[in-house]
Amino acid sequence: QSVLTQPPSVSAAPGQKVTISCSGTTSNVGNNFVAWYQQVAGTTPKLLFYDNYKRPSGIPDRFSGSKSGTSATLGITGLQTGDEADYYCGAWDSSLSAYVFGTGTRVIVL
Amino acid sequence: QVQVVESGGGVVQPGRSLRLSCAASGFRFSGYAMHWVRQAPGKGLEWVATISYDGNNQYYGDSVKGRLIIFRDNSENTVYLQMTSLRVEDTAVYYCAKMGISGYYADVWGNGTTVTVSS
Repeated sequence: QSVLTQPPSVSAAPGQKVTISCSGTTSNVGNNFVAWYQQVAGTTPKLLFYDNYKRPSGIPDRFSGSKSGTSATLGITGLQTGDEADYYCGAWDSSLSAYVFGTGTRVIVL
Repeated sequence: QVQVVESGGGVVQPGRSLRLSCAASGFRFSGYAMHWVRQAPGKGLEWVATISYDGNNQYYGDSVKGRLIIFRDNSENTVYLQMTSLRVEDTAVYYCAKMGISGYYADVWGNGTTVTVSS
């Protein structure tokens, strides 16, 4: 079961901005680093952010990551058709001794 | 080139066993913890298990605890997932992933291997 809550979908026109929220608790998001993953349909997940806001090499700065309290946010500006994908947050849960993923958010480019 | 490659998936009857393998290359395998993550058809990502860099510590998701075992052979640069008492709900693509250097995140993912549990 997913412990981290995300909206099922967000949508915007090309060039616009979207934000995706990831809501957790003090056991996970609140006291541990958050990562974000992108999964384009039919492909393997790809790491977008780690340690809340750090971008692996090759991830464009149109993508941003942040965290405040028990919530984290992924932002995408200058939306492109290639950004259509499912996005998941993830974090270690210290109470469960388990890694937990978010419920996933589908980004739709109108 | 840093990569992990899964193998061992297939079709298996409920109650039977299966062993998945994940061969790593391009990095110092013995220095990193490893994850198994699965994704049922049309569903989201579900963390399955994690093993520490030296194999001494293992962590499991509630849905697989007691039935799936993660272990590794650092001399072979391989991590395994031994699956027993398989259930229909274990049907999924199973991904192997390398844990990042600074935290629990998965920074390198394989292409996955498909396990189908069906009678």
